Amino acid sequence: DIRMTQSPSSLSASVGDRVTITCRASQSISKCLNWYQQKPGKAPKLLIYAASSLQSGVPSRFSGSGSGTDFTLTISSLQPEDFATYYCQQSYSTPPSFTFGPGTKVDIK
Amino acid sequence: QVQLQESGPGLVKPSETLSLTCTVSGGSISSYYWSWIRQPPGKGLEWIGYIYYSGSTNYNPSLKSRVIILVDRSKNQFSLKLSSVTAADTAVYYCARIRGSYEPDQHYYYYYMDVWGKGTTVTVSS
Repeated sequence: DIRMTQSPSSLSASVGDRVTITCRASQSISKCLNWYQQKPGKAPKLLIYAASSLQSGVPSRFSGSGSGTDFTLTISSLQPEDFATYYCQQSYSTPPSFTFGPGTKVDIK
Repeated sequence: QVQLQESGPGLVKPSETLSLTCTVSGGSISSYYWSWIRQPPGKGLEWIGYIYYSGSTNYNPSLKSRVIILVDRSKNQFSLKLSSVTAADTAVYYCARIRGSYEPDQHYYYYYMDVWGKGTTVTVSS
């Protein structure tokens, strides 16, 4: 089974800050990596798919990069509505299987 | 615009079977994979399994012995059955649509969950 880790597990940041979250897979997953944002009491929302493709309607301040085992989600200028928990998810293999990372909580400094 | 809605009992007794349905509206259930995900209180997301519209399935190995996912194309619905539940199965259960595509330059398929239901809370308690 492919295991996912994220760092940090939480971070405090201010509006306007550049924020970077890292996700690592236990084996190479090519670019089969997605990022989701979840706010309290809400369903997760897809931000980035295939490591670096921005989902339609998602602000351009969100970006993703990486391949193989190491991936990054970057928020270029943190906005008030971005305070949330972020999850990475691998979708490697055909047919696919899925594993979520443990999440990174971004809160107000 | 496709929307998903989970439905089912909010309370299930230990050792019984949890049954949930996800209704797809605004689009057809055909040509996609459909998934169940859960989130215990205060914890992270756990993929349960998925079904292709044709009926093929894949389950999380940790839950495989207790899970069945079915599809009813005539009703545009898919369902989850989780047997022998315990308090550890208490969670918010989400359904989601899975999209997939092929990257021709590097020869791989990638998949992602682009539409989610709002979730339904299931408590396991006597």
